[in-house]
Amino acid sequence: AQTVTQSQPEMSVQEAETVTLSCTYDTSENNYYLFWYKQPPSRQMILVIRQEAYKQQNATENRFSVNFQKAAKSFSLKISDSQLGDTAMYFCAFMLYNFNKFYFGSGTKLNVKP
Amino acid sequence: GAVVSQHPSWVICKSGTSVKIECRSLDFQATTMFWYRQFPKQSLMLMATSNEGSKATYEQGVEKDKFLINHASLTLSTLTVTSAHPEDSSFYICSATRDLTYNEQFFGPGTRLTVL
Repeated sequence: AQTVTQSQPEMSVQEAETVTLSCTYDTSENNYYLFWYKQPPSRQMILVIRQEAYKQQNATENRFSVNFQKAAKSFSLKISDSQLGDTAMYFCAFMLYNFNKFYFGSGTKLNVKP
Repeated sequence: GAVVSQHPSWVICKSGTSVKIECRSLDFQATTMFWYRQFPKQSLMLMATSNEGSKATYEQGVEKDKFLINHASLTLSTLTVTSAHPEDSSFYICSATRDLTYNEQFFGPGTRLTVL
């Protein structure tokens, strides 16, 4: 079975600072994908970043980057230069290769303070 | 591209009535659609997976007679909450994938159901 754990229910960060959200997962499979989704107050799920497990290079998308440690089964999200619009729930998700079912973590509520 | 819509965005109904929620992929053909339920301040809970033209696969603990799913075409899936009760009040989200090799789900904006 696949599980995803987010151990930080809530975090706060000052505007313009950097914050890291943690995610660990458990699987016996070797081929999979990892995602971070953002859910703002509108509740629309927005893809932030995606990582293929076979790629050693960490994915980056502008101010968002991940630290993917496959052996440790860790997938943290770093947000640089935090903006007020980053305030949202962030969900870590896992998907097996060629099997489009998501396993979501419990989420981390991020508050960016002015 | 890859836009998913849901209708309605918000619905209020009386206890005992049935409610239908539509999920449409607007600019792509969705081979698979998923239905999630989300309680306040909680994560998304997968309810069922549906493929066009076949019966939906329900997750353990989800009543298939309570939550009827019909994936009638490659762009439309519907979730019908039958004989709704207040405990069915929740936020329902659908998502869709283009094909197995794409490995990404595109989410709809969600439907808030309130059962009085």
